[in-house]
Amino acid sequence: IQLTQSPSSLSASVGDRVTITCRASQGISSYLAWYQQKPGKAPKLLIYAASTLQSGVPSRFSGSGSGTDFTLTISSLQPEDFATYYCQQLNSYPLIFTFGPGTKVDIK
Amino acid sequence: EVQLLESGGGLVQPGGSLRLSCAASGFTFSSYAMSWVRQAPGKGLEWVSAISGSGGSTYYADSVKGRFTISRDNSKNTLYLQMNSLRAEDTAVYYCAKSRPLSMVREEDYWGQGTLVTVSS
Repeated sequence: IQLTQSPSSLSASVGDRVTITCRASQGISSYLAWYQQKPGKAPKLLIYAASTLQSGVPSRFSGSGSGTDFTLTISSLQPEDFATYYCQQLNSYPLIFTFGPGTKVDIK
Repeated sequence: EVQLLESGGGLVQPGGSLRLSCAASGFTFSSYAMSWVRQAPGKGLEWVSAISGSGGSTYYADSVKGRFTISRDNSKNTLYLQMNSLRAEDTAVYYCAKSRPLSMVREEDYWGQGTLVTVSS
């Protein structure tokens, strides 16, 4: 199963609403997670099961979708949100969990 | 507090071998699946391998199948990745990560700081 993300990068301002899309090459139900990664740091889990917010993650992050099309939305971008975001599918059999290529969010 | 501490990275020649370790603490290690994820310099994340809590089930990306072996020692709370026949394209930071839900191989909620493996002559 292949994942594509769009856009590959975007520039936004603090306070903007940001939407990132992840598309799977075949249906994966809701077996999708989203991660945030800052330079030199390990990834951080934001969303799992397509729309469930991981404990401790701010509510400005939300996820939606099922099947092949998914979105990550940041309702009001904060300075600490500038990072690269990855989706990950967890549905394939045999079990091979793939990541999307990433979306870099930087400051406009 | 969950902690994952990788070790064993370094410089190795093409065709060589290396074993990575990940010492875990702060949770019941044997109850959770564990994974290795890598990131080549300046590139995205690549899922490498996973293992069930008991160690009885293992999974590999096609890019490492037959060359890498994941294992765990639940008595030592330690995860391993034995890497053989290393290639230049295996150069990356290797992260160990804990699966979020109990007893299932799923998304990873805790990650180590990573250990750098460089394959070069």
